[in-house]
Amino acid sequence: DVKVTQSSRYLVKRTGEKVFLECVQDMDHENMFWYRQDPGLGLRLIYFSYDVKMKEKGDIPEGYSVSREKKERFSLILESASTNQTSMYLCASSLWGGGRGNEQFFGPGTRLTVL
Amino acid sequence: EDQVTQSPEALRLQEGESSSLNCSYTVSGLRGLFWYRQDPGKGPEFLFTLYSAGEEKEKERLKATLTKKESFLHITAPKPEDSATYLCAVQAPSGSRLTFGEGTQLTVNP
Repeated sequence: DVKVTQSSRYLVKRTGEKVFLECVQDMDHENMFWYRQDPGLGLRLIYFSYDVKMKEKGDIPEGYSVSREKKERFSLILESASTNQTSMYLCASSLWGGGRGNEQFFGPGTRLTVL
Repeated sequence: EDQVTQSPEALRLQEGESSSLNCSYTVSGLRGLFWYRQDPGKGPEFLFTLYSAGEEKEKERLKATLTKKESFLHITAPKPEDSATYLCAVQAPSGSRLTFGEGTQLTVNP
């Protein structure tokens, strides 16, 4: 079974703090993704990575950065947390390539509250 | 631009009352259509991938079908434990990104 783990289930931070969210997958997947999920807005893609040290902006990258130094690990960084970044953060991974679609497998999520 | 619309937004059923959830999509060349189940406060759980019109997949009380414009998730004789939000997503040929719908929140009452 694919296993995607996230470093924290719940996190409370103060405005202006630098926040690190970590994600690890154990299935040797090439692609990794970071989403945020908010009521009424659905799942929105922040950043994704298709290889080590490679990254692509998603739909809402402002205020975030990412790091992928190893294939199995993808980190989301909030450089200076703000209250509007309070949300559920979800990490996902998938295989790369082939003509057919590749399902994404999600981690359990991190509920981040910024005070 | 790829688009996914799910209906209804919310559905309330009695235990044993079968029904269907709809996912309408617009994508230029479908690589795959995906169904997920999400319980409150948890990450989405992968259910099915459908690749081409006419394809069907089944798992317990769930059956997913696909046409060129939409997909249905049929729930037969649902139980309270089927209560969850069901998400639909599509993947275009251009990359690995998925476009998600807003989801259907299903409640099954005993």
